[in-house]
Amino acid sequence: AQKITQTQPGMFVQEKEAVTLDCTYDTSDQSYGLFWYKQPSSGEMIFLIYQGSYDEQNATEGRYSLNFQKARKSANLVISASQLGDSAMYFCAMREGWAYGNKLVFGAGTILRVKS
Amino acid sequence: DVKVTQSSRYLVKRTGEKVFLECVQDMDHENMFWYRQDPGLGLRLIYFSYDVKMKEKGDIPEGYSVSREKKERFSLILESASTNQTSMYLCASSSTPGQGTFSYGYTFGSGTRLTVV
Repeated sequence: AQKITQTQPGMFVQEKEAVTLDCTYDTSDQSYGLFWYKQPSSGEMIFLIYQGSYDEQNATEGRYSLNFQKARKSANLVISASQLGDSAMYFCAMREGWAYGNKLVFGAGTILRVKS
Repeated sequence: DVKVTQSSRYLVKRTGEKVFLECVQDMDHENMFWYRQDPGLGLRLIYFSYDVKMKEKGDIPEGYSVSREKKERFSLILESASTNQTSMYLCASSSTPGQGTFSYGYTFGSGTRLTVV
């Protein structure tokens, strides 16, 4: 079974508008962490935001916020006021627990294109 | 300010060659990882290491091996390269809760795009 599902292969957004990238996850663990990474065309993976399963508040980092709905097992990334530089691939990922053997599992990614 | 360095950005190798991909991190992280990235599949874990000389198989270890002789260096080895190993390879490192300065995010290298012909 897919641990992380990103249902939007590609998205377009107009510059300065907000966009939501969807992510749902599957786990039976109580302790887990959810991550979003950005990958520009240059290839490097840039860590954007983290949400712990016990965090009661939605995580925010500048223009990025994570809409965490635990009961629905969703962790959508919201980018406000999109910029041309936001055009990239975005990956949602999950780590179940923090023991040494726990892995970071990624979704298939969503390509975001910001239009001027 | 480079923290995880992969030795090659682009690599072209012939089928059957033994290929070494090198990764070095300067953050004193305990954990290091090798992922491969393919379109539509996201990143898949090949191997990881949580200590010097320790290694664990990830989800797709077949056709690969790894070596970690020093804490800062984690090498991925393709014993006999095949065309289906043409891919982007990403190395990452992370710290461990309770050891030094812990942060949740994994730090990635810039990736090595390997083509096997």
